[in-house]
Amino acid sequence: EAGVAQSPRYKIIEKRQSVAFWCNPISGHATLYWYQQILGQGPKLLIQFQNNGVVDDSQLPKDRFSAERLKGVDSTLKIQPAKLEDSAVYLCASSLVGASNEKLFFGSGTQLSVL
Amino acid sequence: AQKITQTQPGMFVQEKEAVTLDCTYDTSDQSYGLFWYKQPSSGEMIFLIYQGSYDEQNATEGRYSLNFQKARKSANLVISASQLGDSAMYFCAMREGYNTDKLIFGTGTRLQVFP
Repeated sequence: EAGVAQSPRYKIIEKRQSVAFWCNPISGHATLYWYQQILGQGPKLLIQFQNNGVVDDSQLPKDRFSAERLKGVDSTLKIQPAKLEDSAVYLCASSLVGASNEKLFFGSGTQLSVL
Repeated sequence: AQKITQTQPGMFVQEKEAVTLDCTYDTSDQSYGLFWYKQPSSGEMIFLIYQGSYDEQNATEGRYSLNFQKARKSANLVISASQLGDSAMYFCAMREGYNTDKLIFGTGTRLQVFP
């Protein structure tokens, strides 16, 4: 079975520019997550979707970050404008229904460098 | 509020030896799940093992076992017969509740296996 696909793999931008990341979860997975992993830290949840509805976006900096999941499948995470502290790896993950005992399947991530 | 603590930034182990990676957690919920993930240098998070709060037996998956001590709120990962390919970051994670609750991660432990 195909895994979680993310693109691009790497992105370098200057501060105040905008950037977008794309994620295609495993087919049939209802729950999709975006995590931010700053160097030396564990992943931090930014937003969680159940189908195309938002379940949790409490840690998403909404003044600059936005995310959508059209038709409950692919998802896009956008940053506008980017700040230096946004440099991190952005991980997308999916799970079948979002049950508490379900493991998450992760993509390889997008490494963002903001200069 | 839920919290995961991993106190070992780095661990060394000789090939074929066993190693224990520590994880303690804090939660006021009675129902929760504990996970361990491996993150090699490629960046992808790989699921290793799961333990539910109501599971009476410690979880095992091949060379991985979880030493679950509920009263102490600890969920240590034991890797037996270490291999060079086990060198990676290891993250402990927890999810509270029954469904659609977020998975939070600790800061991770870097394991290095030497010949």
